[in-house]
Amino acid sequence: GQQLNQSPQSMFIQEGEDVSMNCTSSSIFNTWLWYKQDPGEGPVLLIALYKAGELTSNGRLTAQFGITRKDSFLNISASIPSDVGIYFCAGQRGSQGNLIFGKGTKLSVKP
Amino acid sequence: DAEITQSPRHKITETGRQVTLACHQTWNHNNMFWYRQDLGHGLRLIHYSYGVHDTNKGEVSDGYSVSRSNTEDLPLTLESAASSQTSVYFCASSRLTDTQYFGPGTRLTVL
Repeated sequence: GQQLNQSPQSMFIQEGEDVSMNCTSSSIFNTWLWYKQDPGEGPVLLIALYKAGELTSNGRLTAQFGITRKDSFLNISASIPSDVGIYFCAGQRGSQGNLIFGKGTKLSVKP
Repeated sequence: DAEITQSPRHKITETGRQVTLACHQTWNHNNMFWYRQDLGHGLRLIHYSYGVHDTNKGEVSDGYSVSRSNTEDLPLTLESAASSQTSVYFCASSRLTDTQYFGPGTRLTVL
């Protein structure tokens, strides 16, 4: 089936550092979403992107919809301990297609 | 506040038993989804519904069934539980098909 390649699989960084992760596909998507999952909880929507080239921020988080429509990027600036968790990208093809999820990037932050 | 809830949060059952996991949302969303989350696989779609009396199979639907008799609920039934169905199950709902909101999850163990 359709897959999204999310990288890196895991990151271990120092508090205060910036973080970058990305998601790529061999197919075009019309919508990209980024979710965060805390341990023992369900994923929470962070940012939704609907247009190629779109750059959207949510506090210290910034996500971009790639120009080719085959990728998306998430950046976290000045990381803090509560940024710890698993970050998932999800893409939708067309307006009615179901979401396809990446396998997640596990972020650990060292105080 | 509107929300999405799942019950039970934890369930242990035996191989061969029928198990039903509940999902209830108060957003009045037409679209509801069931996913399972396993290490190394991310989130995989089991079944989904776009409205009352509508149900559709997802990527990993074998051994599972759903029914939608009202807008608020989409119960997931494991007809005859198998050890391979040990997983964390998430329900989600959405008004549109892209921005899905997830419940807190049910951790199911099949012995």
